[in-house]
Amino acid sequence: QQQVKQSPQSLIVQKGGISIINCAYENTAFDYFPWYQQFPGKGPALLIAIRPDVSEKKEGRFTISFNKSAKQFSLHIMDSQPGDSATYFCAASRESGGSYIPTFGRGTSLIVHP
Amino acid sequence: DAEITQSPRHKITETGRQVTLACHQTWNHNNMFWYRQDLGHGLRLIHYSYGVQDTNKGEVSDGYSVSRSNTEDLPLTLESAASSQTSVYFCASSGTANTEAFFGQGTRLTVV
Repeated sequence: QQQVKQSPQSLIVQKGGISIINCAYENTAFDYFPWYQQFPGKGPALLIAIRPDVSEKKEGRFTISFNKSAKQFSLHIMDSQPGDSATYFCAASRESGGSYIPTFGRGTSLIVHP
Repeated sequence: DAEITQSPRHKITETGRQVTLACHQTWNHNNMFWYRQDLGHGLRLIHYSYGVQDTNKGEVSDGYSVSRSNTEDLPLTLESAASSQTSVYFCASSGTANTEAFFGQGTRLTVV
């Protein structure tokens, strides 16, 4: 059973446009929701993250919107740039033994055309 | 600078052979993980460890094993490689109570 569902699988956006990636989760025990960015040939790296006690978090052009009642969260990339072209993974985790182990969605391949 | 390194970066092996992928981190993190990445499946957890001598099975652990004899290393062993284990493998680590996982560069394994 897929614990974190991510859509779309791929996304093509023009430079300057808004990229939106959506995720949904089932386990209400999750209490940390990060987004990771992965460039070709590299490992994923943390982009931005949110806790369920806030509905939105913004860092530069990247914003996470969180809807606890719907168990959904999304990543918005404003003014998308060609350099944003990458694979994006949403994840969810909960504290266990003092540690967090992320469960990932299937990823979204974003292409931003110049 | 602290880092996490995987070796080899690329590996081709034959069906039935035992293969070990190395992961070494200098963050002094207690937690270490192994994921496999496949198109359409994202990142799936294979095994994880909370510290020395601790290992736990993840979502897709069949055919894989790990051992944790020190803080820095978590080698992943494929006991008898199968074509279904052709994938890109990522090692990651995180500190206790630290929510961010730091990933290595990955190992591309091909089983022929």
